[in-house]
Amino acid sequence: TQLLEQSPQFLSIQEGENLTVYCNSSSVFSSLQWYRQEPGEGPVLLVTVVTGGEVKKLKRLTFQFGDARKDSSLHITAAQPGDTGLYLCAGGTSGSRLTFGEGTQLTVNP
Amino acid sequence: GEEVAQTPKHLVRGEGQKAKLYCAPIKGHSYVFWYQQVLKNEFKFLISFQNENVFDETGMPKERFSAKCLPNSPCSLEIQATKLEDSAVYFCASSQFGSNSNQPQHFGDGTRLSIL
Repeated sequence: TQLLEQSPQFLSIQEGENLTVYCNSSSVFSSLQWYRQEPGEGPVLLVTVVTGGEVKKLKRLTFQFGDARKDSSLHITAAQPGDTGLYLCAGGTSGSRLTFGEGTQLTVNP
Repeated sequence: GEEVAQTPKHLVRGEGQKAKLYCAPIKGHSYVFWYQQVLKNEFKFLISFQNENVFDETGMPKERFSAKCLPNSPCSLEIQATKLEDSAVYFCASSQFGSNSNQPQHFGDGTRLSIL
């Protein structure tokens, strides 16, 4: 069974601070997807990384896929209250099913 | 449509009753996935379809759970003889090319199933 460990589980920071969320596994994934979920809604895809060592930037968000494709990180620079939400990493495997991490509940205080 | 549409948004059933959830994938998407989100945000894969054919059912409980995707109809997930532990939010997702795990999956807003 493939598992994704996501940390931290909860994160509360002040507006303007930087933060990093980690997603780790002992298994290799063919892709790693990051989602953001708001209460009462489904996850919304932020980015997909597929190549070991790949780095993608989305405004103030930077996503990295580990060289061995077993881990990933999400870094947010100068966090804003609008960044508040549940961030989920999900690993893609053959057969296309996604294996989700437990999520990081981020709260950015004004 | 441009979004994955799930109905109903909320469903309440007494223990032992049947529950049926529906999902209309994005038009043109060939793959449909069902996930169960329980406490602590844990997502569990249930089943996937390629058009009307089961693609991967390794996550489906052997008993009580069934799913279908028939032509020109919304996909459905049915739970017979519901139990308290079936209470969860059930998400449907669709993708254009599901056999490649790099393809993004687009999620609906889920059906919250409450078993009393």
